[in-house]
Amino acid sequence: EVQLVESGGGLVQPGGSLRLSCAASGFTFSSYAMHWVRQAPGKGLEYVSAISSNGGSTYYANSVKGRFTISRDNSKNTLYLQMGSLRAEDMAVYYCARGSLSGDAFDIWGQGTMVTVSS
Amino acid sequence: DIQMTQSPSSLSASVGDRVTITCQASQDISNYLNWYQQKPGKAPKLLIYDASNLETGVPSRFSGSGSGTDFTFTISSLQPEDIATYYCQQYDNLPPTFGQGTKLEIK
Repeated sequence: EVQLVESGGGLVQPGGSLRLSCAASGFTFSSYAMHWVRQAPGKGLEYVSAISSNGGSTYYANSVKGRFTISRDNSKNTLYLQMGSLRAEDMAVYYCARGSLSGDAFDIWGQGTMVTVSS
Repeated sequence: DIQMTQSPSSLSASVGDRVTITCQASQDISNYLNWYQQKPGKAPKLLIYDASNLETGVPSRFSGSGSGTDFTFTISSLQPEDIATYYCQQYDNLPPTFGQGTKLEIK
């Protein structure tokens, strides 16, 4: 079964750091670009970051640039999001998503992990 | 960033009804438009890609059309399990951007 499972969410103080993980299974992880998308409570979907299949290229939304770092370990079939200088507006459910091979859709999503930023 | 505007923001319909949601892009995005379904407490699910292509395993009552700036998503006969919020998403320019969502309810 093709599956993505996020972990690492939790409560963090403003200014703090957190690392999210996304474990992939059921497909050749190293062949796919991967993405992070977040959803604040009761709000819509917001794109966060992307990484190419080999990890050589990354992209960040302006809202997280300089504070978040996306990475992957293809030997462990795992995607990461290192989040720093966290703000209240970063509080959201964070989803990892697989980029389709044609490159234009998010065809598999994880169940999400909640990040709460509060003192 | 390309702005995606969905209409309506919420919709109430009866089982068996034909339901239509529109999505307008702030600039020409060709056919780089996807539709997702998100049920309460769940992750989004890809339904339609490249404006009109049905994702594998998605029921044929779902369809999409359009190109350029104006797109339409249709459920031909609404079923109770279709209760969800639906999002359009463009992938023509980075960053990918989503519409604000259309919440679909059963009358």
